[in-house]
Amino acid sequence: AQTVTQSQPEMSVQEAETVTLSCTYDTSENNYYLFWYKQPPSRQMILVIRQEAYKQQNATENRFSVNFQKAAKSFSLKISDSQLGDTAMYFCAFMTSTGANSKLTFGKGITLSVRP
Amino acid sequence: GAVVSQHPSRVICKSGTSVKIECRSLDFQATTMFWYRQFPKQSLMLMATSNEGSKATYEQGVEKDKFLINHASLTLSTLTVTSAHPEDSSFYICSASLTSGRSPYEQYFGPGTRLTVT
Repeated sequence: AQTVTQSQPEMSVQEAETVTLSCTYDTSENNYYLFWYKQPPSRQMILVIRQEAYKQQNATENRFSVNFQKAAKSFSLKISDSQLGDTAMYFCAFMTSTGANSKLTFGKGITLSVRP
Repeated sequence: GAVVSQHPSRVICKSGTSVKIECRSLDFQATTMFWYRQFPKQSLMLMATSNEGSKATYEQGVEKDKFLINHASLTLSTLTVTSAHPEDSSFYICSASLTSGRSPYEQYFGPGTRLTVT
């Protein structure tokens, strides 16, 4: 079974600064996908970024980038130039296979607060 | 983008009654939908996987007779909480799997339904 671990329950960052959210996972699979989801106070789940395990290049989406270390089974999210709208819960998630029934395994989440 | 709606967004019901929550994919067809439950400040817990035209697959520990799932069309899945009790109060989220155009089968989430059982 796959597990996703987010060991930091809460983090705080000053507006415009950079913050890194940690995530580790455990799997025996070789092909899989990793995600970071954001859940703001509205509670709408929003996909932030996705990484395919077979790709060596780290994914980047504007101010969001990941540090994917496959051997270490680590998948951290870096948020640059933090904005007040980044305040949310962030979930790291894992998915194997590419079938329509593929399940997402979520970590416990981290609450990020951006201070003005 | 792919949009998923849920109705209602909030519902209050009395203990012992049943309540139905709808999940619709508005601009795409979804052969698979997922139902999650989330307690405050906690992660999403998968309850079941719903496939169009077939019985739902429930996760271990989820009572299938209490949480009835129907996926009658490629754009609609429903979750019915039967004989609801206060401990069923929670935030319920659905997601729909986009089955064409990209890989992996990315899940798009609805806005959630807050159920309060009094």
